[in-house]
Amino acid sequence: DGGITQSPKYLFRKEGQNVTLSCEQNLNHDAMYWYRQDPGQGLRLIYYSQIVNDFQKGDIAEGYSVSREKKESFPLTVTSAQKNPTAFYLCASRTGYEQFFGPGTRLTVL
Amino acid sequence: DQQVKQNSPSLSVQEGRISILNCDYTNSMFDYFLWYKKYPAEGPTFLISISSIKDKNEDGRFTVFLNKSAKHLSLHIVPSQPGDSAVYFCAASEYNAGNMLTFGGGTRLMVKP
Repeated sequence: DGGITQSPKYLFRKEGQNVTLSCEQNLNHDAMYWYRQDPGQGLRLIYYSQIVNDFQKGDIAEGYSVSREKKESFPLTVTSAQKNPTAFYLCASRTGYEQFFGPGTRLTVL
Repeated sequence: DQQVKQNSPSLSVQEGRISILNCDYTNSMFDYFLWYKKYPAEGPTFLISISSIKDKNEDGRFTVFLNKSAKHLSLHIVPSQPGDSAVYFCAASEYNAGNMLTFGGGTRLMVKP
């Protein structure tokens, strides 16, 4: 079954700690994206990667970092510099115009 | 400055009636539009799309209308079913910007039995 997996589903972090969210796809898509959704709001773009070993900042990249060493994987690190990290994080990959989303990770900072 | 806006945060409709969800955009360079459906704690799933060269696209109970002069698109669901209750996002894409998607804020649709 082709798709996008994100792990873990729920993640709790203490203030001041870095945490890495996993995103894997077996759709053979070149482009991958990370979004953040806050309650009652739309999706805001954090980082994106059009191809392996290349990535670009989105609208709200501050406090986040990514890597793209493999086509299948696009992990997102939420650093201690992110002032308000509690949110629902969505990873997506793209073919043509359409983006396909993973199930999301809910991060809660305690 | 939101380039894609969904001005109605919520909409309540009776089962069997029509649901109309609206979306406005400001960037005239957008050339492709998509609607996504999202349940709580899940990722959005693609619903239907339309190219800027068309004014209507239909898929079963779902129809999207595009009015380029008004920079407005709408999603019609007929007939509405309780399982349609979800948050609906419209998104716009510009080919020359690498097909990046710009999302609206979403409309929560509640279909009452």
